[in-house]
Amino acid sequence: QVQLVQSGAEVKKPGSSVKVSCKASGGSFITYGISWVRQAPGQGLVWMGGILPVFGTPKYAQKFQGRVTITADESTNTAYMEVSSLRSEDTAVYYCARGNEKHVWILDHWGQGTLVTVSS
Amino acid sequence: DIVMTQTPLSLPVTPGEPASISCRSSQSLLDSDDGKTSLDWYLQKPGQSPQLLIYTLSNRASGVPDRFSGSGSGTDFTLTISRVEAEDVGVYYCMQRIEFPFTFGPGTKVEIK
Repeated sequence: QVQLVQSGAEVKKPGSSVKVSCKASGGSFITYGISWVRQAPGQGLVWMGGILPVFGTPKYAQKFQGRVTITADESTNTAYMEVSSLRSEDTAVYYCARGNEKHVWILDHWGQGTLVTVSS
Repeated sequence: DIVMTQTPLSLPVTPGEPASISCRSSQSLLDSDDGKTSLDWYLQKPGQSPQLLIYTLSNRASGVPDRFSGSGSGTDFTLTISRVEAEDVGVYYCMQRIEFPFTFGPGTKVEIK
């Protein structure tokens, strides 16, 4: 049974950084894509970027390029998403999601979400 | 980036009745390499993480009831619920993954009348 467990809620000051983790259990880690999806309060889903650990090179949406860093640690089956230079508009729930055997980039397995609040 | 649109954005439904949601992409989602359409549907129930409903145009995810079906081609797609049940309320999203960045539609909120 695949399970993705994310790190806990964070409260951050504007201008600081936050790093959210996503630990995977069950099944292979490196052969499925891990995507990060953002949901601002009352808003829809936005795909931020993703990584296929076996290749290692992350892909980003233009909106997040340069301020978001996605990494994966094969030794601990954990993916990370870091947002720097936080601003109030980054207040959101951040989800990680993993692919399946049908396609590495289908968002089949989801984490529980991590609420990041940016406030002075 | 590929733009995804959905209609309607709000859909009041009556239990037992059918319902459908349309999704349109700004370019074709047909992958010429494998002949498959890279369009998936997700449901986010209130207070929950999103869940996969339909993948690659018309394939139901594991555990998804057969009252859900996906159809369409090229740039026009439809999610159909043959007989809506109360547990189907939530926001439905289509998403393309034919090219990076993946993009979601704005979502369709389904609620019981």
